[in-house]
Amino acid sequence: DAKTTQPTSMDCAEGRAANLPCNHSTISGNEYVYWYRQIHSQGPQYIIHGLKNNETNEMASLIITEDRKSSTLILPHATLRDTAVYYCIVRVGFSGSGANNLFFGTGTRLTVIP
Amino acid sequence: SAVISQKPSRDICQRGTSLTIQCQVDSQVTMMFWYRQQPGQSLTLIATANQGSEATYESGFVIDKFPISRPNLTFSTLTVSNMSPEDSSIYLCSVVKAPDNEQFFGPGTRLTVL
Repeated sequence: DAKTTQPTSMDCAEGRAANLPCNHSTISGNEYVYWYRQIHSQGPQYIIHGLKNNETNEMASLIITEDRKSSTLILPHATLRDTAVYYCIVRVGFSGSGANNLFFGTGTRLTVIP
Repeated sequence: SAVISQKPSRDICQRGTSLTIQCQVDSQVTMMFWYRQQPGQSLTLIATANQGSEATYESGFVIDKFPISRPNLTFSTLTVSNMSPEDSSIYLCSVVKAPDNEQFFGPGTRLTVL
């Protein structure tokens, strides 16, 4: 699986949109972009994933560039509870041996400021 | 979604002993994984737990040190054998559910080896 590059940390004012970038310049055509977050002392939480098109759910939006070499996770109205480490990973689907090549990088530590 | 429970939630063990961690899911899942998260680090995949057959281990992890069982589609165990202080970590169970292939994580087991 392709590796990703994320900023080490970011701050965001409460109530504002948090935009978390991720570079995945070596992504392959069959690899998805997944986002997770981990709040201190808890297991990672799934946020959203996508292949080519932009995606939106109740938690966030995922914007993937046309060349798929980068993406942005958007939390539209950040709250203090969104303070966490956010991981961007790229992966093939879960069939066959693809799941054996997962790579969680160091992520972005997002701090939402009151 | 999938509700995942792990037992124990935390333990403090002596060097040279073994600990078995249990993972229970509230519904049948297609895939189960075990991860390790050392202090201040990202997640590292240990192995894929295969139902009815031997687990598939990632580079750097071996069956003698981390034996895994998966007797059915909702339960798995990970044993950390002959523990040393370097095994102190959070151990996380993770599952993938069809049809959307979302991946969910358990709350983790915090292991401290003295």
